Order: sequence, then structure tokens, then C-alpha cells
Amino acid sequence: GENVEQHPSTLSVQEGDSAVIKCTYSDSASNYFPWYKQELGKRPQLIIDIRSNVGEKKDQRIAVTLNKTAKHFSLHITETQPEDSAVYFCAASVNQGGKLIFGQGTELSVKP
Amino acid sequence: GAVVSQHPSWVICKSGTSVKIECRSLDFQATTMFWYRQFPKQSLMLMATSNEGSKATYEQGVEKDKFLINHASLTLSTLTVTSAHPEDSSFYICSARDGGIAKNIQYFGAGTRLSVL
Repeated sequence: GENVEQHPSTLSVQEGDSAVIKCTYSDSASNYFPWYKQELGKRPQLIIDIRSNVGEKKDQRIAVTLNKTAKHFSLHITETQPEDSAVYFCAASVNQGGKLIFGQGTELSVKP
Repeated sequence: GAVVSQHPSWVICKSGTSVKIECRSLDFQATTMFWYRQFPKQSLMLMATSNEGSKATYEQGVEKDKFLINHASLTLSTLTVTSAHPEDSSFYICSARDGGIAKNIQYFGAGTRLSVL
């Protein structure tokens, strides 16, 4: 079955710096890759997603890139702010409406 | 955005009792809902896929007789933890797939923290 590996497990940056989180997936049939942000004790919130027919997608300070050949996708956060501190999860799915397999999560800490 | 309501948010029960958790999509119809389990500082582990009007599909290693799932309507799925034991203590989260305008995006409930004494 699908397996998603996420790195790093923890990431600490200074406010204003960029943060990059990387994920790899095993199932070449996967075609939908969402990223979720989960603050402590709260529900995961979708922050951005990308489909396999697109190589890059950007939404203000957040961008996601996808390399289908390498089965690799990354989350990029620019101009980080303390409120970006949370756990970020990548996920992969064979169909957009299908089950999501999550990465292990990255705990991002943005220091003021 | 779409809203998924999950209740209760926190439940404490005695070992051997059963606990029911509800997951409702409030402003959209969800033909498919998903149930996850999350341990502290760990990822979301998919337990089962709940399909309206049919039997749930369980992931490998998840006991279907232990974790009963019912999806009787397009807005409600329930997870019942039967004969709960301390090792069942965890954070359970549901998600609902919006098959409408949101193009199959999954929205998550706020989760239920289960403590079995």
C-alpha cells in the first residue's frame, strides 16, 4: 500500500525566514497531495493541495511543489510568522476523494 | 468552508464499557467519511472508510468488531468503541469528504479524546 515519508520531524526557524518540509510517496498512482496544519489540540486544517497534473501551486506565503518522477513533494512557507508554529502533515491519495495516507508530521516552531 | 462537527470532544469511561462518537457534516452531504486515530505527537492513522448505506472498509490491523462504524445518512457517521480498554485511549478524528463544489476535499472534525480507566 501507499507509504508517505515526511522530513524533518521538527523544524525551528527565525521569524521571517523560510521553512521547507519534504515528503516522498511510494505509490506512483497517487495523484492528490494535500497539506494540513494542526495546532495543538485542534483539528487538521487544509492549507494547500496539489494535483498530479500540476508541478507547483502558490497561495500567498505558501507554495507546494511536486516532482512526479521522483515521487516527491514539498511545502514552502516564506516570511514565517510565529502563528505559523504548528504541526504540518503531508498526505497522498490515489483519488482526490479517496483515503489519505499521512506523513509523520513536522513540528514547526517559528521564533520571534 | 465546510464544517464537520464531532461529539463528544472528550469522554472518560470505565474499562469494559462502550463509547459512541458522532461525526456530522453540517453544511454538505458526505457520502464518504473517514475515521482516524492519533496518538500524542504522532500522525493520523486511518482506521476505516465509512460509506453511506454500506459497510465500512477497515484498514489492515483494525478490528471491525471492536470499532463499529455506522453511516446511516449522508450527514452522520458514528464510531462505537466496544468493550473499551485502557489501550484504546487515544484521540479519534473523523473527516468528511465534500463531493460537491469543494471537489472532494476532506474536512476534519475537532476530534474526540477518549480516556479509558
